[in-house]
This record gives sequence, C-alpha cells and structure tokens, in this order.
Amino acid sequence: GQSLEQPSEVTAVEGAIVQINCTYQTSGFYGLSWYQQHDGGAPTFLSYNALDGLEETGRFSSFLSRSDSYGYLLLQELQMKDSASYFCAAPLGQNFVFGPGTRLSVLP
Amino acid sequence: EAGVTQSPTHLIKPRGQQATLRCSPISGHTSVYWYQQALGLGLQFLLWYDEGEERNRGNFPPRFSGRQFPNYSSELNVNALELEDSALYLCASPGGSVFYEQYFGPGTRLTVT
Repeated sequence: GQSLEQPSEVTAVEGAIVQINCTYQTSGFYGLSWYQQHDGGAPTFLSYNALDGLEETGRFSSFLSRSDSYGYLLLQELQMKDSASYFCAAPLGQNFVFGPGTRLSVLP
Repeated sequence: EAGVTQSPTHLIKPRGQQATLRCSPISGHTSVYWYQQALGLGLQFLLWYDEGEERNRGNFPPRFSGRQFPNYSSELNVNALELEDSALYLCASPGGSVFYEQYFGPGTRLTVT
C-alpha cells in the first residue's frame, strides 16, 4: 500500500521549535516533500529529501530516514504566520501521495 | 515568469450538471497535475497530463475527465455532479525537470448544490 501518516494537530508558542512527523508505507519510494498551506490558500513547496539526513532552508529543516520510513519537518523560531497546515508528500511512480496534513497553531 | 493560473475562482453548480475547470501551467512547462481537496482534508491525486496526453489518473470515477491542449493548458470536467464533489480543485505544475517540487495554482472552489 501507499500511505503517509501525520499527526492531525500540533500547537506551539511563538519563538518555540516544533517538529512535525511523517511516517510512510510505500513501494518505490523516491523521497519526501513538504508543503505548507494556509487557510484558503494553495499549497506551497517547502523542501524535498531524496537522501537520508537533514536539509536546512532558513528556519525550516527537513529530515529523512529511509531505514525507519520516517521523516520530519522542523520549524524553528516559530512566528504567528507559520500557523498553517503542513503536508508531507511522496512521489510514487508518476503520482504524488499526500499525507493527511498537520494543522499547526502558533500561540502568542 | 507567470505562475500557475486557474479559472474560475468559484463555481456553483446544481447536482447532476457538469462543471468545467481550467488551468494554465507555468510558461514553458508541459505537465499539469490535478488534485481534489475536500474541506479539511488532504490532497487526492486526480489526473496527470503531459505533452497533451493523459499519463495517469487517481482513484476517481470516469465522470472525472479532462484534457490538455497544444498550449499545455488543461481542462478538468466533472460530469453528473454529486454533492460530495464539492471541494477545492487544485492544479499544479512541476518545477523545472523535477516533479517532486510542484507549484500550485490558487484553486477553484466547486460547490455542488
């Protein structure tokens, strides 16, 4: 089967660090992508991990462990504008399979 | 370069009718992906077009169909509309030559009454 699992909700305070996990069960796995979607908006690409390890892009980092079928998105120095839904996605063959999304609420 | 564009922004149709949604990919890009996002849910892959051909489709009934034109714009048609078709329909264009980085249009909000 092809599925990705994420926690449904995460809450954190401004300035904190939060980690959003994604576990997957896929065949023909090529890597893990992360997207951000604000309410009423379209998803925007954040990062992609093709290889194991950590990828850093400003305040956001993404990690992948193929042996554990697991990845995470790390958001540092949280800001109110980071309140959004975050989706992991795996390119599978010629498709994308998206996780169900994690709603992040950043509190003042 | 212009991003992915979609029209209309909102569409309201009665049950049983047909809806047509349109998408233009990033200029020069030949691939278009269509997704359905029901309220509060994740994205479900619908269709993938490239170079004018349907390359793959997701687990949706045949009343979801589409096409891609010579200028690479695309049309999604939903026939015999059902209430559960109410959703945000998103079109995406892969970034460069790597399809894991997708750029999304603003979406069309379809409401079936």
